[in-house]
This record gives sequence, C-alpha cells and structure tokens, in this order.
Amino acid sequence: EVVLTQSPGTLSLSPGERATLSCRASQSITNNFLAWYQMRPGQAPSLLISGASTRAAGVPARFTGRGSGTDFTLTINRLEPEDFALYYCQQYGSSPGTFGQGTKVEI
Amino acid sequence: QLQLQESGPNLVQPSETLSLTCTVSGGYISNSGFYWGWLRQPPGKPLEWIASFYYTGNTYYSPSLRSRANIYLDSFQNEFSLTLRSVSAADTAVYYCARGYYAEGWFGPWGQGTLVTVSS
Repeated sequence: EVVLTQSPGTLSLSPGERATLSCRASQSITNNFLAWYQMRPGQAPSLLISGASTRAAGVPARFTGRGSGTDFTLTINRLEPEDFALYYCQQYGSSPGTFGQGTKVEI
Repeated sequence: QLQLQESGPNLVQPSETLSLTCTVSGGYISNSGFYWGWLRQPPGKPLEWIASFYYTGNTYYSPSLRSRANIYLDSFQNEFSLTLRSVSAADTAVYYCARGYYAEGWFGPWGQGTLVTVSS
C-alpha cells in the first residue's frame, strides 16, 4: 500500500503567518488523487482539497494545494485563529486508500 | 445541508461484534451517485479507511479488515451500518462515517465520530 509521510509533525506559527505542510508518497499517486483534511478538536473532519489542488466548496482561498507524483504541499496563507488544527493528507489513487500521520499547526 | 451521525455502543467486549449505524439527514443515500463509507482512527495512529458501498449496492473493503467487516444499507431508514466481528483491543478507535466521491476517497462530509473501546 502507499505510505504517506507528512512533515513536519508540528508547525508552530503565529496568526498571519504562512504554513507549508508536506505530504510525500512512497510511490507515485495515480491521477494525483490526493486529498487534504482539517481536524479540529471535537469536530468532524473537514475536506479541504481533492485532486491535489481543487478546493472543496466553502474552503477559503488562503488554502492552496499543489504537487504531483509523490510530492504534495498544502499552503495556508495568512493563518487565521481557526486554522490552528490537525491536517491530514490522503491518497485514493491506489487501493487501499491511505492517510498520512498528520501535521499539527499550533500557535 | 447533508449531515451524518454515528451511533452505537461505546464499549464492546473482546471477541464480540462491534455494530455502528450512520444516520444521514439532509439527503438520501439511495440514488445519490455517491459512495458511503466507514473510517476509524485508533489512539495515536493515522486515520484508516475500513469499508464503503456504492448506492447501487457494490461494496468495498480494506484488505486488512475484509474478513471481519460488513457494511450494509438500510435505505428505508436512510442509514448504513458497519459490523466488525471478533474485535480486540486493536479495534479501539474513533469511528467515522462519511460520504465518498470514490470508494476510498475523497470523503466529505463526515460524522462527528464515536469512540468505541474494546475492553472487558
């Protein structure tokens, strides 16, 4: 199965700064089928990005997904207080779909 | 607005069967054109996809859980359920239900999740 490695494990930033999260795959992801999710404590996970770069409905433009093949990034421009959360990448191009271990963006 | 809500026991005995239900509101599962799935996150571990079904009835399972898992639809109640047989402590996790665009991703929206502990 495809192993996704997210880095860094924790990102310590201040509101207004830019966050860059990495997701690296053990093999090329078919069709760039990679998604990013946000998880806040006590809340349901929320889809941010699908297909490596397509923002889900209602997701602010400060969230940008890029990448192809094995290397993908999620950039959050001008961090807002509600952006401090856990972020997971997931590949669904190869079966079984797999998730990374997550990156925590903390204040 | 589509919403999903998991329900089921929070404590299951080892070797018993875990049963969870996902109630969908704000939309219909049947004829939806979407997949519907179960995922879980054990404490301190990554999220894991368990199983999905397509509204036409096709089912899909993670190879690691295929022998113990069963996903099925109750279209009358607009619910779908997961059973996981012969559970052990390794099955302790927060279990989520979600709508999928594909069988194994991407998923959205998700339910809030329910913690299931396997312990005697």
